[in-house]
Amino acid sequence: GAVVSQHPSWVICKSGTSVKIECRSLDFQATTMFWYRQFPKQSLMLMATSNEGSKATYEQGVEKDKFLINHASLTLSTLTVTSAHPEDSSFYICSAEREAGGGKLFFGSGTQLSVL
Amino acid sequence: SQKIEQNSEALNIQEGKTATLTCNYTNYSPAYLQWYRQDPGRGPVFLLLIRENEKEKRKERLKVTFDTTLKQSLFHITASQPADSATYLCATITGTYKYIFGTGTRLKVLA
Repeated sequence: GAVVSQHPSWVICKSGTSVKIECRSLDFQATTMFWYRQFPKQSLMLMATSNEGSKATYEQGVEKDKFLINHASLTLSTLTVTSAHPEDSSFYICSAEREAGGGKLFFGSGTQLSVL
Repeated sequence: SQKIEQNSEALNIQEGKTATLTCNYTNYSPAYLQWYRQDPGRGPVFLLLIRENEKEKRKERLKVTFDTTLKQSLFHITASQPADSATYLCATITGTYKYIFGTGTRLKVLA
């Protein structure tokens, strides 16, 4: 199956700092990547759709200036949480399709962010 | 709005029995439904996809059904094992090309 690598797996940071999370498709090219956020015992909430070479599309209620997404190449998308606050603490997961609209998402292993 | 619902938050089952999980969708007619497995602290892993014109799909001990009349998909694990314990998520893609997920069912297989 397709491999999506995400790192770091976990990060602890101080309030007010920025954190960058990387998501790479290792053995396929991903025109589109999806970023999700997940709170304990809850489902995945789509934050934004990242498109290679263009601006990301954010879901309603997600602050684009706070959650900066860059999809600079067909194998790399990054999510930067700027000026992080304790309420940003969550599990962030990226995913990608090997085939656009193909119906299978391949997920990274997730990043647990804790903001002190 | 388009919704995916998994009504059972948790399900405990004895080893060797068949686990059956339910996924319902509303305000939508999806072209397909997907099932994923998620272990604690990990990203989901794709298991099966079933299209609207398919009644049933199988993969080893897994079976998925799709009933467009009931607007429902059932996910079965036969001969369940403790290693099958995980959260199982139902998902689909919307008309605006977004993948949406149900809240998941936490399955625990008791030895």
